[in-house]
Amino acid sequence: DAGVTQSPTHLIKTRGQHVTLRCSPISGHKSVSWYQQVLGQGPQFIFQYYEKEERGRGNFPDRFSARQFPNYSSELNVNALLLGDSALYLCASSLIRGSGTGELFFGEGSRLTVL
Amino acid sequence: DQQVKQNSPSLSVQEGRISILNCDYTNSMFDYFLWYKKYPAEGPTFLISISSIKDKNEDGRFTVFLNKSAKHLSLHIVPSQPGDSAVYFCAASFTSGTYKYIFGTGTRLKVLA
Repeated sequence: DAGVTQSPTHLIKTRGQHVTLRCSPISGHKSVSWYQQVLGQGPQFIFQYYEKEERGRGNFPDRFSARQFPNYSSELNVNALLLGDSALYLCASSLIRGSGTGELFFGEGSRLTVL
Repeated sequence: DQQVKQNSPSLSVQEGRISILNCDYTNSMFDYFLWYKKYPAEGPTFLISISSIKDKNEDGRFTVFLNKSAKHLSLHIVPSQPGDSAVYFCAASFTSGTYKYIFGTGTRLKVLA
């Protein structure tokens, strides 16, 4: 079975530009989360979507947005890029258990460099 | 406000010995904890988890201990192998409400052959 797939794997943008990152979850997983990992730090929560609805949002500005499609794939959009947006963007999918938790299965990430 | 802390940025251990990675948290409402391993150029990989109703969970060479009163958890790897060399992250979450995981800053483990 395919794992979580993300595209693109690497990209370079300039300040002020817009970027779209894409994620396909593991088959059967209905939840997708996005995390940002800055060098030397742990992943930081950006968004969680379940059944196409936003279920959680981290402490990120409105320049960050996301959506989930009927096939459970997801896009993360970042507008008006800043140098500080340079990071590894991780997508993770999970099965939502009845308790509301479940292991996250991460993709390899999209490394964004903003010049 | 760093709610999950891994105070040791790096750890070196001889092959065959025990590796102990530590994690502290500040929010007593966390009730689910996980450990992830990350190799360079790969996404984090789930290792083991523990619910707050337990104080120990074991899976092969990996054991996680939870001390709720101290708000501390640890990951024990016995015996350590060179392939265990990676960055280890602990994460915490709530079993109800939002579904976000709070990650620590990671500990880089190096197992020396």
